[in-house]
Amino acid sequence: AQTVTQSQPEMSVQEAETVTLSCTYDTSENNYYLFWYKQPPSRQMILVIRQEAYKQQNATENRFSVNFQKAAKSFSLKISDSQLGDTAMYFCALYPYSGAGSYQLTFGKGTKLSVIP
Amino acid sequence: DTGVSQDPRHKITKRGQNVTFRCDPISEHNRLYWYRQTLGQGPEFLTYFQNEAQLEKSRLLSDRFSAERPKGSFSTLEIQRTEQGDSAMYLCASSWAYEQYFGPGTRLTVT
Repeated sequence: AQTVTQSQPEMSVQEAETVTLSCTYDTSENNYYLFWYKQPPSRQMILVIRQEAYKQQNATENRFSVNFQKAAKSFSLKISDSQLGDTAMYFCALYPYSGAGSYQLTFGKGTKLSVIP
Repeated sequence: DTGVSQDPRHKITKRGQNVTFRCDPISEHNRLYWYRQTLGQGPEFLTYFQNEAQLEKSRLLSDRFSAERPKGSFSTLEIQRTEQGDSAMYLCASSWAYEQYFGPGTRLTVT
């Protein structure tokens, strides 16, 4: 079984500042993917960034980057130059890829991020 | 590419009634997933299709829930004899590989 834990239910950041959202996970699989999804208020879930577990290099997508610590099973998201449009729920998700069957995403409970003007 | 679409977006029903939701995946995606999301929680996996075959079902998917994907295209999720605990957002996602793309969801309210 997989678990994903997001220990920060809510966070806030001033516009243009940097914020880091935490995520830890547990899985017995050797191969897996990790994702951060963004869910703005009353809008659909959007993929923000992904990380393949076999890659040591941390993924970056414009203002979004991750700090992937495989041994610690930690996968944090850093948002630089925060913008008002970044206000949303952010979900960390784990996708184990064993080839043996399960293709489900396991999500954390989410972190509600508010960007303050 | 119009993305994943779901219909209806909102459904209010009385306890005991049956409801059916529809999901249209991105056209070239062969995998389709259903998740349920309750307030303040992350989505929880319900079931997964590869083409028309339902390959995985969660323990959350009780006997009152059934899902189909005829001809490997759109999918339907039916809930029979709805209960108040079924009130949630029902999300559909599709993928070709490991990246899942989500639809806007169907919000179900059981009164």
